[in-house]
Amino acid sequence: TQLLEQSPQFLSIQEGENLTVYCNSSSVFSSLQWYRQEPGEGPVLLVTVVTGGEVKKLKRLTFQFGDARKDSSLHITAAQTGDTGLYLCAGNSTGANSKLTFGKGITLSVRP
Amino acid sequence: AAGVIQSPRHLIKEKRETATLKCYPIPRHDTVYWYQQGPGQDPQFLISFYEKMQSDKGSIPDRFSAQQFSDYHSELNMSSLELGDSALYFCASSLVSSPAAVETQYFGPGTRLLVL
Repeated sequence: TQLLEQSPQFLSIQEGENLTVYCNSSSVFSSLQWYRQEPGEGPVLLVTVVTGGEVKKLKRLTFQFGDARKDSSLHITAAQTGDTGLYLCAGNSTGANSKLTFGKGITLSVRP
Repeated sequence: AAGVIQSPRHLIKEKRETATLKCYPIPRHDTVYWYQQGPGQDPQFLISFYEKMQSDKGSIPDRFSAQQFSDYHSELNMSSLELGDSALYFCASSLVSSPAAVETQYFGPGTRLLVL
């Protein structure tokens, strides 16, 4: 069974601070996706990373895929209250037509 | 851009009743996935279809069945509902044969099922 461990599980920071959260596994993934989910809503895709060592930027969010494609990180610069939410990472193990394995998620709270 | 559509958004049923959840994938997407998310839990894969054929099966109870139709929409049929079936049910769609060769799943807004 492939597992994705996300850390920290909960994070509360002040607006304007930087933060980094992690998604780790002992398994190799062909791709890894980060989603953000609001309560009662569907996960919204933020990014897909495919290549080991890949770095993708989405405004103030920077995503990195580990060289061995087993782990990923999300760095947020100058967090805003609108960044508050649940961040899920999900791995795709065998390429096309493959189910996603989700981590438990990171609940981020950005205080004004 | 068109997104994944799910209906109904909310559903209340009694124990032992049946429910049908519908999913309309993003146009031209050929694959549909169903996930179940319990309160405070991460989404768990149930079943998937590619080109109208079942492609993978996860932790889906025998009381549940699903299919994908010729127009690529999918339905999840749930019978003999139990209290523990109360959850958010998400459908996701993807284009397996994407020219970029990177499959990404896009999720719908979900159906919240409450079994009383």
